[in-house]
Amino acid sequence: QQKVQQSPESLIVPEGGMASLNCTSSDRNVDYFWWYRQHSGKSPKMLMSIFSNGEKEEGRFTVHLNKASLHTSLHIRDSQPSDSALYLCAASRANTGKLTFGDGTVLTVKP
Amino acid sequence: NAGVIQTPRHKVTGKGQEATLWCEPISGHSAVFWYRQTIVQGLEFLTYFRNQAPIDDSGMPKERFSAQMPNQSHSTLKIQSTQPQDSAVYLCASSLGDRANERLFFGHGTKLSVL
Repeated sequence: QQKVQQSPESLIVPEGGMASLNCTSSDRNVDYFWWYRQHSGKSPKMLMSIFSNGEKEEGRFTVHLNKASLHTSLHIRDSQPSDSALYLCAASRANTGKLTFGDGTVLTVKP
Repeated sequence: NAGVIQTPRHKVTGKGQEATLWCEPISGHSAVFWYRQTIVQGLEFLTYFRNQAPIDDSGMPKERFSAQMPNQSHSTLKIQSTQPQDSAVYLCASSLGDRANERLFFGHGTKLSVL
């Protein structure tokens, strides 16, 4: 069964610091990786997606993907208290729109 | 654009009762997904439709859960004989559905509590 593993389970960073989150899929047939952010009591919202090897940057957020190892990472620089949330990694195959989610990393940014 | 609309926001049922959850996808979106979220299991896939046709129900508990999409503007998830372990937030999501790599837009969810 396809599994998505995320680490760490929780992370505390100071305001202005860098947060680094990791995600690996055990399904060798995945094609796409996604990062969703879920604030407490809210629904998940897509933060970033990455489909090709390499790096993608959007503002303070950078994602990396290594398709050979099926590993993606999300880096948040200049972290803000409003970044405190559950970060969910997901993977999907090209022949389906179905996303399989990891258990998430709870990020806390301390002022 | 109102986003994905789910009703009710909260539902409390007694053990053994039936629960029906409703989802209205974003207008123009042809793919609808149902997920369930709990602290213990995380965000679990249940089932999805594309152009109203069921595509994958591999996450559905077979005996008591069923989902339908009678028209492009709504989908329902029905749970018969609810059990305490069914307590969860049930999330509906939709996407344009043209390609497999399109983002999902989630509704606010229905929190189901089975007493």
